Amino acid sequence: ETGVTQSPTHLIKTRGQQVTLRCSSQSGHNTVSWYQQALGQGPQFIFQYYREEENGRGNFPPRFSGLQFPNYSSELNVNALELDDSALYLCASSAPIHVDEQFFGPGTRLTVL
Amino acid sequence: EDQVTQSPEALRLQEGESSSLNCSYTVSGLRGLFWYRQDPGKGPEFLFTLYSAGEEKEKERLKATLTKKESFLHITAPKPEDSATYLCAVQVGGNTPLVFGKGTRLSVIA
Repeated sequence: ETGVTQSPTHLIKTRGQQVTLRCSSQSGHNTVSWYQQALGQGPQFIFQYYREEENGRGNFPPRFSGLQFPNYSSELNVNALELDDSALYLCASSAPIHVDEQFFGPGTRLTVL
Repeated sequence: EDQVTQSPEALRLQEGESSSLNCSYTVSGLRGLFWYRQDPGKGPEFLFTLYSAGEEKEKERLKATLTKKESFLHITAPKPEDSATYLCAVQVGGNTPLVFGKGTRLSVIA
């Protein structure tokens, strides 16, 4: 059974650019959640996808958007990058049976210059 | 608004010196409380889920307990490899987002 994987590992962008981050959920998991973790802080919920539909959103502006594909993998897109978007972006997946347990990927470290 | 507060922010222990980390929470209705371990630059690693007051769970040198207002993560005879940030999170409904605290950064010195 493979765990949650994310790509890329690290990314450097400049202010105003756009970025796409990718997540492959753990086998059998149909729900994917994205979190942003600034340095020294706990993860903050961005949004969740269930069966390819957005299923909840945190306090993030519309320039943060996402997709979930039929194989349950997911993308996080951020437009018009700002310096404060620099953070570790985490993807977590959960299974239909054990919906309360979210398993996290290793994260993508985004630096905006 | 659901809130999670962890204390202390940082804790330095000698190897073998047992201690506890605290997670206090204010939520409209608790479905589950989660503990995660996070190593620098890595994603959180799931440790425990607790659902009701009085519940306890153990894993190696770690034991998590839950009351109606807080949870404790007890570390018995810690080793240097237990050094990490320990995150607490709450969930108020099934398959809903986790609300995290800021974490406790634990350092265990040999």
